[in-house]
Amino acid sequence: EAQVTQNPRYLITVTGKKLTVTCSQNMNHEYMSWYRQDPGLGLRQIYYSMNVEVTDKGDVPEGYKVSRKEKRNFPLILESPSPNQTSLYFCASSLEGSGRLGEQFFGPGTRLTVL
Amino acid sequence: SQKIEQNSEALNIQEGKTATLTCNYTNYSPAYLQWYRQDPGRGPVFLLLIRENEKEKRKERLKVTFDTTLKQSLFHITASQPADSATYLCALEPTDSWGKFQFGAGTQVVVTP
Repeated sequence: EAQVTQNPRYLITVTGKKLTVTCSQNMNHEYMSWYRQDPGLGLRQIYYSMNVEVTDKGDVPEGYKVSRKEKRNFPLILESPSPNQTSLYFCASSLEGSGRLGEQFFGPGTRLTVL
Repeated sequence: SQKIEQNSEALNIQEGKTATLTCNYTNYSPAYLQWYRQDPGRGPVFLLLIRENEKEKRKERLKVTFDTTLKQSLFHITASQPADSATYLCALEPTDSWGKFQFGAGTQVVVTP
């Protein structure tokens, strides 16, 4: 089944404890992206990757890191999480890094709480 | 600064009627505009894409229009059904930043029988 998977789905952690949220897609997509979703603010893009080894900042990259060493994986790293990073996170992938080819496929989301 | 606005008030509509949602943007030159559906606690699901040089796109009971002069897109659900109840998001990709998407906050649609 074509899908984007994220792990973990739920995570409660404490301020300053490094964490990684994994994202993997099995559709051989070039493009991958991370978003966070907060009430009233909608989806905001954190980082995106047009293809392997190429990443770029979205609108809210502060406090996050990413890496794209393989086509299928795009982990999101929080080196020192803070309470303002409590949010619902979505990973997405698309055939190419442009909306002209249509849809982004979204993962199921990771709900992160930082105490 | 760039801004995308969707009606924050929920749209309550009776089954069988047409729901019309708006997506307005400012300080933006989008190349493509997409609409997504999101159910509570789940990731968005793609519905339709429209290009800046297209005026209208249809898919089954869905219709999207794109007016780059008014800087507005309208999303219509005709013959609405209770199963159409969800939040609908618009997303824009600018011509000078491929891959950099901005989403509106979404409009909730509630279809009652």
